[in-house]
Amino acid sequence: DADVTQTPRNRITKTGKRIMLECSQTKGHDRMYWYRQDPGLGLRLIYYSFDVKDINKGEISDGYSVSRQAQAKFSLSLESAIPNQTALYFCATSDSADRALYEQYFGPGTRLTVT
Amino acid sequence: AQRVTQPEKLLSVFKGAPVELKCNYSYSGSPELFWYVQYSRQRLQLLLRHISRESIKGFTADLNKGETSFHLKKPFAQEEDSAMYYCALGTYNQGGKLIFGQGTELSVKP
Repeated sequence: DADVTQTPRNRITKTGKRIMLECSQTKGHDRMYWYRQDPGLGLRLIYYSFDVKDINKGEISDGYSVSRQAQAKFSLSLESAIPNQTALYFCATSDSADRALYEQYFGPGTRLTVT
Repeated sequence: AQRVTQPEKLLSVFKGAPVELKCNYSYSGSPELFWYVQYSRQRLQLLLRHISRESIKGFTADLNKGETSFHLKKPFAQEEDSAMYYCALGTYNQGGKLIFGQGTELSVKP
């Protein structure tokens, strides 16, 4: 589903560097999410935003920050990258309208390696 | 605590064999449960939700509140079913966040 895009798709960075991952959507959804995926740990929620002015921490927000620049854009920043932040990062969106609440639409993922 | 547990990291079966991917949950409210699937080189996508009581690609899942389970089943596995499967719990009292399990990789051998 090309309606949710992530840039970059792959990134290698060094310890201590600041890095930003970007997510854009054309679905018109109000809710956006950032997850990280690690083998054996599944998907864990980093941050989520229910609208432009509503940003919330997820279960593993330490070391990360986010910015919701517009309804369609939600960026994830690693202020000072460390090796254990090496993971696959996914952005997702959902529509708060009624029963569609739980169906989340995922981006293709960004593979981040911190050396 | 709200939690989703998928006890199997990897499930390997032969084509035509029955498949059951296990999912157990812990939630104090009325649960809404989902299965998401990620095929190789594709995005994570919704497979089915318990409230719809539907069969998608031959898969079904029944919510068992007594056993707090939502196992995914298919009577005859196909090679194209090979993928990573995630069980997810919808937390309506927290604005609709999803809590995902650890995932089970299903491998269907010819």
